[in-house]
Amino acid sequence: DAKTTQPTSMDCAEGRAANLPCNHSTISGNEYVYWYRQIHSQGPQYIIHGLKNNETNEMASLIITEDRKSSTLILPHATLRDTAVYYCIVRAPGMTTDSWGKLQFGAGTQVVVTP
Amino acid sequence: EAGVAQSPRYKIIEKRQSVAFWCNPISGHATLYWYQQILGQGPKLLIQFQNNGVVDDSQLPKDRFSAERLKGVDSTLKIQPAKLEDSAVYLCASSLGPEGPLRYEQYFGPGTRLTVT
Repeated sequence: DAKTTQPTSMDCAEGRAANLPCNHSTISGNEYVYWYRQIHSQGPQYIIHGLKNNETNEMASLIITEDRKSSTLILPHATLRDTAVYYCIVRAPGMTTDSWGKLQFGAGTQVVVTP
Repeated sequence: EAGVAQSPRYKIIEKRQSVAFWCNPISGHATLYWYQQILGQGPKLLIQFQNNGVVDDSQLPKDRFSAERLKGVDSTLKIQPAKLEDSAVYLCASSLGPEGPLRYEQYFGPGTRLTVT
């Protein structure tokens, strides 16, 4: 069963911020939120991850609500190259007999950035 | 730094034939993953290796799929015999493993697109 819920698709204008929502209402206390994206005909690419604090790197920002039941990935200035499927994944850290660090992908959100 | 290499990039076979895919992970990465991605869906993990040992193959259809990672570096995934429903992109990924500072980040190869006719 999917642990996250994302919209199927969304459009964004080039140069504007893209805000991608993700619901993970059943997240456990030790599970992190990960975001990956997959550009057409390429393998998925890691973007960012976080536990409960907001995180920012050179690609994006991750905002996690205080109750950790939802999060938002922010692409501050979307470009045409950001057109991709974006996956929100929750996962326990490290290697345990239950998870062994594996990623469970859902269908993701197809983001189309238009000129 | 070289990325994850996969070959071939494309393969077309008839059903009941055999096929093999090859993956060379990033140097020093202890963990290697094979995923299957059917059109319109997210990738699904088939098998995970830690060095040369299997740690998760619960989603691997073992009657027709096999994988090995000899010497803990390169890996091959084989399908024998192929079925129409095996048409998909097969992705290989690697990560540093439990001891690395970025141990949770997986790096993916470009994938092999398999078409079974």
